[in-house]
Amino acid sequence: EIVLTQSPATLSLSPGERATLSCRASQSVSDFLAWYQQKPGQAPRLLIYDSSKRATGIPARFTGSGSGTDFTLTISSLEPEDIGVYYCQQRSNWPPIIFGQGTRLEI
Amino acid sequence: VQLEESGPGLVKPSETLSLTCTVSGGSLNSSSHYWAWIRQPPGKGLDWIAFSFYSGSTNTNPSLKSRLTISVDTSRNQFSLRLSSVTAADTATYYCARISDSSGYHIDSWGQGILVTVSS
Repeated sequence: EIVLTQSPATLSLSPGERATLSCRASQSVSDFLAWYQQKPGQAPRLLIYDSSKRATGIPARFTGSGSGTDFTLTISSLEPEDIGVYYCQQRSNWPPIIFGQGTRLEI
Repeated sequence: VQLEESGPGLVKPSETLSLTCTVSGGSLNSSSHYWAWIRQPPGKGLDWIAFSFYSGSTNTNPSLKSRLTISVDTSRNQFSLRLSSVTAADTATYYCARISDSSGYHIDSWGQGILVTVSS
Protein backbone atom coordinates (compact mmCIF):
# COMPACT_ATOMS: atom_id res chain seq x y z
CA GLU A 1 0.00 0.00 0.00
CA ILE A 2 1.23 3.47 -0.89
CA VAL A 3 2.24 5.71 2.00
CA LEU A 4 2.20 9.50 1.71
CA THR A 5 4.59 11.40 3.96
CA GLN A 6 4.10 15.13 4.40
CA SER A 7 6.65 17.59 5.65
CA PRO A 8 7.08 19.63 7.67
CA ALA A 9 4.54 18.64 10.32
CA THR A 10 4.06 22.30 11.23
CA LEU A 11 4.98 25.43 9.31
CA SER A 12 4.96 28.85 10.98
CA LEU A 13 5.22 31.85 8.67
CA SER A 14 4.15 35.47 8.40
CA PRO A 15 1.59 37.08 6.08
CA GLY A 16 3.09 37.75 2.66
CA GLU A 17 5.68 35.00 2.96
CA ARG A 18 5.93 32.01 0.66
CA ALA A 19 4.91 28.59 1.98
CA THR A 20 6.29 25.35 0.58
CA LEU A 21 4.64 22.09 1.64
CA SER A 22 5.96 18.69 0.61
CA CYS A 23 4.30 15.32 0.01
CA ARG A 24 6.36 12.25 -0.77
CA ALA A 25 4.88 8.95 -1.96
CA SER A 26 6.42 5.58 -1.15
CA GLN A 27 6.02 4.61 -4.80
CA SER A 28 5.10 6.45 -7.96
CA VAL A 29 1.57 7.86 -8.14
CA SER A 30 2.19 9.49 -11.54
CA ASP A 31 0.39 12.85 -11.26
CA PHE A 32 -2.70 11.49 -9.52
CA LEU A 33 -2.24 13.60 -6.42
CA ALA A 34 -4.52 16.15 -4.80
CA TRP A 35 -4.16 18.75 -2.06
CA TYR A 36 -6.86 19.73 0.41
CA GLN A 37 -7.10 22.57 2.90
CA GLN A 38 -8.92 22.09 6.17
CA LYS A 39 -9.59 25.22 8.19
CA PRO A 40 -10.37 24.84 11.90
CA GLY A 41 -13.84 23.43 12.47
CA GLN A 42 -14.52 22.95 8.76
CA ALA A 43 -14.58 20.15 6.24
CA PRO A 44 -11.61 19.82 3.90
CA ARG A 45 -11.69 21.70 0.61
CA LEU A 46 -10.10 20.58 -2.65
CA LEU A 47 -7.34 22.95 -3.72
CA ILE A 48 -5.34 21.10 -6.36
CA TYR A 49 -5.97 17.89 -8.29
CA ASP A 50 -3.89 15.90 -10.74
CA SER A 51 -0.80 17.45 -9.12
CA SER A 52 -1.11 20.92 -10.63
CA LYS A 53 -4.70 21.74 -11.61
CA ARG A 54 -6.45 24.28 -9.44
CA ALA A 55 -9.96 23.39 -8.37
CA THR A 56 -12.84 25.74 -9.07
CA GLY A 57 -12.58 29.03 -7.20
CA ILE A 58 -9.09 28.45 -5.80
CA PRO A 59 -6.89 31.56 -5.84
CA ALA A 60 -3.88 31.66 -8.12
CA ARG A 61 -1.52 31.96 -5.14
CA PHE A 62 -1.97 28.21 -4.65
CA THR A 63 0.24 26.17 -7.00
CA GLY A 64 0.84 22.45 -7.13
CA SER A 65 3.75 20.71 -8.80
CA GLY A 66 5.50 17.37 -8.98
CA SER A 67 5.17 13.94 -10.47
CA GLY A 68 6.03 10.41 -9.51
CA THR A 69 6.93 10.43 -5.84
CA ASP A 70 7.67 14.06 -4.95
CA PHE A 71 5.06 16.79 -4.85
CA THR A 72 4.92 20.37 -3.64
CA LEU A 73 2.14 22.76 -2.74
CA THR A 74 3.29 26.37 -2.85
CA ILE A 75 1.35 29.31 -1.46
CA SER A 76 3.04 32.31 -3.03
CA SER A 77 2.01 35.04 -0.59
CA LEU A 78 0.33 33.95 2.61
CA GLU A 79 -2.94 35.46 3.71
CA PRO A 80 -4.19 35.17 7.30
CA GLU A 81 -7.10 33.01 6.11
CA ASP A 82 -4.68 30.38 4.81
CA ILE A 83 -4.26 28.90 8.29
CA GLY A 84 -5.25 25.29 8.67
CA VAL A 85 -4.09 21.77 7.95
CA TYR A 86 -3.13 20.75 4.42
CA TYR A 87 -3.47 17.15 3.29
CA CYS A 88 -2.24 15.41 0.17
CA GLN A 89 -4.14 12.42 -1.23
CA GLN A 90 -3.39 9.94 -3.99
CA ARG A 91 -5.68 8.00 -6.26
CA SER A 92 -3.12 6.39 -8.52
CA ASN A 93 -3.82 2.93 -7.25
CA TRP A 94 -7.30 3.12 -5.74
CA PRO A 95 -8.86 1.75 -3.73
CA PRO A 96 -7.70 2.54 -1.15
CA ILE A 97 -7.97 6.32 -0.98
CA ILE A 98 -4.89 7.39 0.95
CA PHE A 99 -4.20 10.69 2.67
CA GLY A 100 -0.98 12.07 4.04
CA GLN A 101 -0.85 12.87 7.74
CA GLY A 102 -1.13 16.61 7.13
CA THR A 103 0.93 19.78 7.51
CA ARG A 104 -0.33 22.40 9.93
CA LEU A 105 0.15 25.94 8.66
CA GLU A 106 0.34 28.68 11.26
CA ILE A 107 0.40 32.33 10.32
CA VAL B 1 -24.10 20.12 -5.09
CA GLN B 2 -24.56 19.93 -1.33
CA LEU B 3 -24.12 16.95 0.94
CA GLU B 4 -25.48 16.66 4.45
CA GLU B 5 -24.82 13.94 7.00
CA SER B 6 -27.49 12.94 9.50
CA GLY B 7 -27.69 10.47 12.33
CA PRO B 8 -27.14 10.13 16.06
CA GLY B 9 -24.22 11.92 17.64
CA LEU B 10 -23.87 9.36 20.43
CA VAL B 11 -23.66 5.60 20.08
CA LYS B 12 -23.06 3.03 22.81
CA PRO B 13 -20.14 0.61 22.59
CA SER B 14 -20.97 -2.65 20.76
CA GLU B 15 -23.96 -1.04 19.04
CA THR B 16 -24.33 -0.02 15.38
CA LEU B 17 -23.54 3.42 14.06
CA SER B 18 -25.91 4.51 11.27
CA LEU B 19 -25.47 7.61 9.16
CA THR B 20 -27.19 8.93 6.06
CA CYS B 21 -25.93 11.42 3.51
CA THR B 22 -28.51 13.42 1.60
CA VAL B 23 -27.39 14.90 -1.71
CA SER B 24 -29.06 18.04 -3.05
CA GLY B 25 -28.39 20.12 -6.12
CA GLY B 26 -27.22 17.07 -8.02
CA SER B 27 -28.15 13.49 -8.74
CA LEU B 28 -26.72 10.43 -7.07
CA ASN B 29 -27.63 8.62 -10.28
CA SER B 30 -24.56 9.78 -12.19
CA SER B 31 -21.86 7.86 -14.01
CA SER B 32 -19.46 10.77 -13.40
CA HIS B 33 -19.31 10.44 -9.64
CA TYR B 34 -18.55 8.15 -6.75
CA TRP B 35 -19.92 8.74 -3.27
CA ALA B 36 -17.62 8.37 -0.30
CA TRP B 37 -17.44 8.20 3.46
CA ILE B 38 -14.38 9.54 5.26
CA ARG B 39 -13.80 9.96 8.97
CA GLN B 40 -11.50 12.00 11.15
CA PRO B 41 -10.83 11.09 14.80
CA PRO B 42 -10.58 14.13 17.07
CA GLY B 43 -7.32 15.96 16.48
CA LYS B 44 -6.14 13.47 13.86
CA GLY B 45 -6.00 13.03 10.10
CA LEU B 46 -8.40 11.78 7.46
CA ASP B 47 -9.27 8.09 7.04
CA TRP B 48 -11.09 6.66 4.06
CA ILE B 49 -14.02 4.38 4.92
CA ALA B 50 -15.66 3.46 1.61
CA PHE B 51 -16.89 4.72 -1.73
CA SER B 52 -19.80 3.63 -3.89
CA PHE B 53 -21.07 4.02 -7.42
CA TYR B 54 -24.75 4.79 -8.06
CA SER B 55 -25.22 1.16 -9.09
CA GLY B 56 -24.40 0.11 -5.54
CA SER B 57 -20.95 -1.20 -6.37
CA THR B 58 -18.82 -0.43 -3.30
CA ASN B 59 -15.18 -0.45 -2.25
CA THR B 60 -14.47 -0.49 1.48
CA ASN B 61 -11.46 -0.02 3.71
CA PRO B 62 -10.28 -3.57 4.48
CA SER B 63 -9.80 -2.68 8.13
CA LEU B 64 -13.52 -1.94 8.45
CA LYS B 65 -14.98 -4.32 5.89
CA SER B 66 -16.25 -6.95 8.32
CA ARG B 67 -18.27 -4.34 10.26
CA LEU B 68 -19.38 -2.08 7.42
CA THR B 69 -22.50 -1.90 5.27
CA ILE B 70 -22.90 0.78 2.61
CA SER B 71 -26.11 1.35 0.69
CA VAL B 72 -27.20 3.70 -2.07
CA ASP B 73 -30.79 4.86 -2.59
CA THR B 74 -30.99 6.77 -5.86
CA SER B 75 -34.75 7.31 -5.49
CA ARG B 76 -34.15 9.35 -2.35
CA ASN B 77 -30.78 10.74 -3.45
CA GLN B 78 -29.19 9.33 -0.32
CA PHE B 79 -26.42 6.96 0.59
CA SER B 80 -25.88 5.39 3.98
CA LEU B 81 -23.30 3.83 6.25
CA ARG B 82 -23.78 1.25 8.99
CA LEU B 83 -20.83 0.33 11.18
CA SER B 84 -21.45 -2.46 13.67
CA SER B 85 -19.82 -3.37 16.98
CA VAL B 86 -18.44 0.11 17.53
CA THR B 87 -15.79 0.96 20.09
CA ALA B 88 -14.28 4.19 21.36
CA ALA B 89 -11.84 3.98 18.44
CA ASP B 90 -14.76 4.72 16.09
CA THR B 91 -15.31 8.12 17.69
CA ALA B 92 -14.76 10.60 14.88
CA THR B 93 -16.24 13.25 12.66
CA TYR B 94 -17.79 11.42 9.73
CA TYR B 95 -17.89 13.13 6.35
CA CYS B 96 -19.78 12.15 3.25
CA ALA B 97 -18.23 13.35 0.03
CA ARG B 98 -18.36 13.26 -3.75
CA ILE B 99 -15.60 12.04 -6.05
CA SER B 100 -15.82 13.51 -9.55
CA ASP B 101 -14.29 12.63 -12.87
CA SER B 102 -14.06 16.38 -13.59
CA SER B 103 -11.60 16.74 -10.72
CA GLY B 104 -9.45 13.80 -11.66
CA TYR B 105 -11.45 11.44 -9.48
CA HIS B 106 -10.54 13.37 -6.38
CA ILE B 107 -12.98 14.59 -3.74
CA ASP B 108 -14.52 17.84 -4.92
CA SER B 109 -17.43 18.18 -2.50
CA TRP B 110 -17.74 17.44 1.22
CA GLY B 111 -20.55 17.49 3.74
CA GLN B 112 -20.03 19.59 6.84
CA GLY B 113 -19.36 16.49 8.90
CA ILE B 114 -21.09 14.94 11.89
CA LEU B 115 -19.31 14.14 15.14
CA VAL B 116 -20.16 10.67 16.41
CA THR B 117 -19.06 9.78 19.91
CA VAL B 118 -18.98 6.18 21.08
CA SER B 119 -19.59 6.13 24.81
CA SER B 120 -21.83 4.47 27.34
